[in-house]
Amino acid sequence: DTAVSQTPKYLVTQMGNDKSIKCEQNLGHDTMYWYKQDSKKFLKIMFSYNNKELIINETVPNRFSPKSPDKAHLNLHINSLELGDSAVYFCASSPWDREYTIYFGEGSWLTVV
Amino acid sequence: SQQGEEDPQALSIQEGENATMNCSYKTSINNLQWYRQNSGRGLVHLILIRSNEREKHSGRLRVTLDTSKKSSSLLITASRAADTASYFCATAPSGNTGKLIFGQGTTLQVKP
Repeated sequence: DTAVSQTPKYLVTQMGNDKSIKCEQNLGHDTMYWYKQDSKKFLKIMFSYNNKELIINETVPNRFSPKSPDKAHLNLHINSLELGDSAVYFCASSPWDREYTIYFGEGSWLTVV
Repeated sequence: SQQGEEDPQALSIQEGENATMNCSYKTSINNLQWYRQNSGRGLVHLILIRSNEREKHSGRLRVTLDTSKKSSSLLITASRAADTASYFCATAPSGNTGKLIFGQGTTLQVKP
């Protein structure tokens, strides 16, 4: 059984479109994240939710809006997509403890053309 | 700002050799973790070392931590072709910040 699953895995879309990526975890973790990995493999945190509450909101354009309907789900909606949004987006989860060991999904490859 | 920086950026070795990767960071930490990413896949947690620990082992992995130098190393012994992947260090800053900060990774190629 997949622990952290995200869909779609691949997404090709035109500039200006709006798209969503869905994520679900079945690990019972309290905390979920969205990370962005660029073409140089640099991995940067975007958002974090703990029990549906937003706790980390890094400097991300407000075209990106996370939504957590419950603690097992964290979706990412992106409005007015731009070429620079092309990247791999990883959903992840972790227990809410001091160690923050993170369990990643397989990634969603977004290409904006 | 980026916390972890890894060295080297790329490493190519023969099967059976040892691979050593280094990570430096900037602020005080609760722990440091190493992750592995196979091509086209998500990251997988390998090992965690706490700020009060100096060395930790897990199978063929050995991690050291020097908090005075703000650096860590990951040693993979007797490497295998299947170890080919990118390896990332990640730091949990002191205080309950709720996030890990990742380095840019070392790409390891193990030739059969």
